[in-house]
Amino acid sequence: EVQLVESGGGLVQPGGSLRLSCAASGFSFSSYEMNWVRQAPGKGLEWVSYISSRGSTIYYADSVKGRFTISRDNAKNSLYLQMNSLRAEDTAVYYCAREASAKDYFDYWGQGTPVTVSS
Amino acid sequence: SYVLTQPPSVSVAPGKTARIPCGGNNIGTKSVHWYQQKPGQAPVLVISYDNDRPSGIPERFSGSNSGNTATLTISRVEAGDEADYYCQVWDSSSDHYVFGTGTKVTVL
Repeated sequence: EVQLVESGGGLVQPGGSLRLSCAASGFSFSSYEMNWVRQAPGKGLEWVSYISSRGSTIYYADSVKGRFTISRDNAKNSLYLQMNSLRAEDTAVYYCAREASAKDYFDYWGQGTPVTVSS
Repeated sequence: SYVLTQPPSVSVAPGKTARIPCGGNNIGTKSVHWYQQKPGQAPVLVISYDNDRPSGIPERFSGSNSGNTATLTISRVEAGDEADYYCQVWDSSSDHYVFGTGTKVTVL
């Protein structure tokens, strides 16, 4: 069974940093592209970042480029999101999402980890 | 950047048909995917590549895509279909994934 479990969320002050993790199991993690998607309270889904299966290709949404860094450790079956210079508008539930093989949609999602940026 | 526009809400009586539009410039030239999200839960894929249903998704869910509008159709609507629905595409010009603004489906 495919499982994606996010962790690392919490309360952080504006300008602070946070590192999110996503532990993957039930599939060959190193063969799949992965993404982070977020959802602000009461708002819609917003794609945040993409990383290829080997980590050689990375994309970011304009809203986080230069502040967030996506990475992965295939030996540990884990995906990460380093978030720096956090702003109030980064407050959201952050989901880890697997990209279907050679497709451009998300076939499995984690349950999300909440991030609150507030003083 | 590419924008996908959905109506904020759609209301439908049980047993009737709900149609959820997703508007985008020449969206008919892109592949559109649809997700269902119930309160407090992660999104679930209900339609991929305009009109492909993943395993486990009822035949009542279907999609179409042409011109500037893609549409998710839910036939014989049930109370359990009440949820938020999002369209999504890959925008190759910006290397960005794009989600629609989302539509809340209310079953009367």
